[in-house]
Amino acid sequence: AQKVTQAQTEISVVEKEDVTLDCVYETRDTTYYLFWYKQPPSGELVFLIRRNSFDEQNEISGRYSWNFQKSTSSFNFTITASQVVDSAVYFCALSDPNSGGSNYKLTFGKGTLLTVNP
Amino acid sequence: GAVVSQHPSRVICKSGTSVKIECRSLDFQATTMFWYRQFPKQSLMLMATSNEGSKATYEQGVEKDKFLINHASLTLSTLTVTSAHPEDSSFYICSARGQAMLLPQYFGPGTRLTVL
Repeated sequence: AQKVTQAQTEISVVEKEDVTLDCVYETRDTTYYLFWYKQPPSGELVFLIRRNSFDEQNEISGRYSWNFQKSTSSFNFTITASQVVDSAVYFCALSDPNSGGSNYKLTFGKGTLLTVNP
Repeated sequence: GAVVSQHPSRVICKSGTSVKIECRSLDFQATTMFWYRQFPKQSLMLMATSNEGSKATYEQGVEKDKFLINHASLTLSTLTVTSAHPEDSSFYICSARGQAMLLPQYFGPGTRLTVL
């Protein structure tokens, strides 16, 4: 069965520090997709990135970067030079053919609450 | 990016009443919409998946007669909580996905339901 583990429940950093949010996943499929979403205090989930299982290239988008390692089934997310506005809950999610057949449902991790202090 | 709206954002109702929540994809056609429930400081729990023009598929443990879902068009899905009770109080979130099933889900801003 598919599973996403975000072992870090809460992380607190001081502004300008770098922070890495861990995500480990389990799936039987060779084709799957990984996502990161941000949920700020307002509640609306914001899509950050999607990665397919055949593309292990790391990605950088501004202060955000993602490290996908199939060998360790991990898809970690790093924020460089964190800012107060980065404070939010971050969810890692997995989508594969077994999670709902053709609907490719999302399996979410429990989320990591990131607090960036000024 | 794709925009999904939800209405109302907040609703307070008395026990026994029914509440309808609307989810709209504003700038794309949503073949599939999903309804989630989120308790405080917890992850999202998928309640049901709806494809336009078809009956919704409910997750195990979710009462289909309690949570009525209609996906009548490619831009609108509704969730009706029937005969709401205090234990139905929660944050309800919808998401929508375009015609390619491998596209990301885009989420609405959520609806905070409080049943007195």
